[in-house]
Amino acid sequence: QSMLTQPPSVSEAPRQRVTISCSGSSSNIGDNTVNWYQQVPGKAPKLLIYYDDLLASGVSDRFSGSKSGTSASLAISGLQSEDEADYYCAAWDDSLNGYVFGTGTKVTVL
Amino acid sequence: QVQLQESGPGLVKPSETLSLTCTVSDASSSASSWSWIRQPPGKGLEWVGYLSYSGRATYNPSLKSRVTMSLDTSKSQFSLRLSSVTAADTAVYYCARVKSGGGVDFYYYMDVWGTGTAVTVSS
Repeated sequence: QSMLTQPPSVSEAPRQRVTISCSGSSSNIGDNTVNWYQQVPGKAPKLLIYYDDLLASGVSDRFSGSKSGTSASLAISGLQSEDEADYYCAAWDDSLNGYVFGTGTKVTVL
Repeated sequence: QVQLQESGPGLVKPSETLSLTCTVSDASSSASSWSWIRQPPGKGLEWVGYLSYSGRATYNPSLKSRVTMSLDTSKSQFSLRLSSVTAADTAVYYCARVKSGGGVDFYYYMDVWGTGTAVTVSS
């Protein structure tokens, strides 16, 4: 049912930078703000980015969000082993009249 | 910081009703809105529904005919009921606090999450 598409996985060496894309449509990303959540295996999701590019409280400034048109991106700079997790974008969808999550991206630190 | 805790049976029989409760640690959160989210084993997150501070509910269209969410501010709790469950409803269920609003730039996000409770549908 997800209408937000993310790459299944990305990997990079420590201290490098990775970017995760999130592709949507005019009814979700194009019209509403985007959020990003981090989920460490076995744990509850945690809010990272809200309102497209605002850092949630206590989140490292190595994380940053951006949006253009019907797509959004999450960047992680200075990659650390603790960043290994699943990442989900999400946005309200006007057509669905509900909240949609992306397909999720697994980040691996090589 | 407000904390949320889900509770309910971990095993539900097919065709029966799944009932979960989320207890909010901070009674002053009575003006907040809430959501339920679920995650089947090995899969992604699925939004189940939203409950405003006034008790108005909005449900995922794919679950709408089976879902009921309600608020009990006197107990600082809100609940989820999902009827006629099948194995496809087996998941970890999370409750979360919602921040939403705005006009042209509508915003909606979950800033505080419970730890989750696993529910298995099986006879």
